[in-house]
Amino acid sequence: AQKVTQAQTEISVVEKEDVTLDCVYETRDTTYYLFWYKQPPSGELVFLIRRNSFDEQNEISGRYSWNFQKSTSSFNFTITASQVVDSAVYFCALSEAWTPGGSEKLVFGKGTKLTVNP
Amino acid sequence: DTEVTQTPKHLVMGMTNKKSLKCEQHMGHRAMYWYKQKAKKPPELMFVYSYEKLSINESVPSRFSPECPNSSLLNLHLHALQPEDSALYLCASSLRSSGADTGELFFGEGSRLTVL
Repeated sequence: AQKVTQAQTEISVVEKEDVTLDCVYETRDTTYYLFWYKQPPSGELVFLIRRNSFDEQNEISGRYSWNFQKSTSSFNFTITASQVVDSAVYFCALSEAWTPGGSEKLVFGKGTKLTVNP
Repeated sequence: DTEVTQTPKHLVMGMTNKKSLKCEQHMGHRAMYWYKQKAKKPPELMFVYSYEKLSINESVPSRFSPECPNSSLLNLHLHALQPEDSALYLCASSLRSSGADTGELFFGEGSRLTVL
């Protein structure tokens, strides 16, 4: 069964600090996809990144970076020089590859609430 | 056009009312989803439609009735709800093309439901 664990319930930092959000996952599939979503107070889920299980390259997008390590089943997210607008709940999620006749689910971790203080 | 549009954004209903939530996408996606999100909790899957057919029902009470009239539309009919059903209801869609699906879901902004 799929499982996503975000051990950090809440994190509070001061603006311009770097912050890393941890994500550990479990799956029996060899093909799977990992995601990070941001949910600001307004409520919508904003897609940040998708990674498939065959691509362990780390990725950087502006102040955001992601570290995918299959050996430790982790997909951590780092925000560099955090800003107040980064305050939100961040969800890590996992889905297994869809196959005809198979089931598909996007399973979310419990989320990490990040507060960036000015 | 990469939007999933949900209406209404806010809905207040009594326990005896019948109402519907609507979701629309024009990205050519063939899978559509309803998720329920309670405050301070992650989204939880309710239903999945694949090629307009219900493929997953996560043991959702019958007072929630999904409907997929065509590949672009997804409805959630609500009847005789309870106060504990108050939540943010999120619609999502994904490509669902055999051999090409990445599992990426595109979410709408949600419909915030309050049951009095």
